[in-house]
Amino acid sequence: DTGVSQDPRHKITKRGQNVTFRCDPISEHNRLYWYRQTLGQGPEFLTYFQNEAQLEKSRLLSDRFSAERPKGSFSTLEIQRTEQGDSAMYLCASSSNKGRVGPEAFFGQGTRLTVV
Amino acid sequence: RKEVEQDPGPFNVPEGATVAFNCTYSNSASQSFFWYRQDCRKEPKLLMSVYSSGNEDGRFTAQLNRASQYISLLIRDSKLSDSATYLCVVITPRRYTGANSKLTFGKGITLSVRP
Repeated sequence: DTGVSQDPRHKITKRGQNVTFRCDPISEHNRLYWYRQTLGQGPEFLTYFQNEAQLEKSRLLSDRFSAERPKGSFSTLEIQRTEQGDSAMYLCASSSNKGRVGPEAFFGQGTRLTVV
Repeated sequence: RKEVEQDPGPFNVPEGATVAFNCTYSNSASQSFFWYRQDCRKEPKLLMSVYSSGNEDGRFTAQLNRASQYISLLIRDSKLSDSATYLCVVITPRRYTGANSKLTFGKGITLSVRP
């Protein structure tokens, strides 16, 4: 399967614990995005990488959230001291700009986080 | 004003109906537009890109109206399998926003097609 893959698919954690999610983008894609989605809402932007550089982070993202893409390939999203409000689907997407603005992005199946 | 706003929903239509969704965007410099489809508890998947000249893919037609800053999706002859949430997506280049190109999603509109 050469699509975007995310791991784990589901995560249940106790409030206050740290969690880390992984995303493996489509191999030739240089752009990688993290989104969060709650029930009845569209995906909400969290952060964006071009190669290994984190070029944008949403103002909605608290300092408990951190993301990395150390070698410009896979990415991790860590949430420290989880809160119940962090419960959501975390989606990763990748795309390739190749000189164009706004190519379509392809999503992974997401990691569903439940904080109890 | 939100960057991307979609029609309120949900839409509940019989099989064979024609249904249209609209989506408005706030930044006139936005350059790329897409419709994504999302099934329940699944990831969004690209349905169609939207071009200035309008484009059609089978029963689906997407149109862009830059003057009024909206995009539309028309589904003809609805099938039960069309039941899903439809998300409009807009991308605005960095030089107009100070932020890097990212996909901005509407809230989505849920379509239910009944037998």
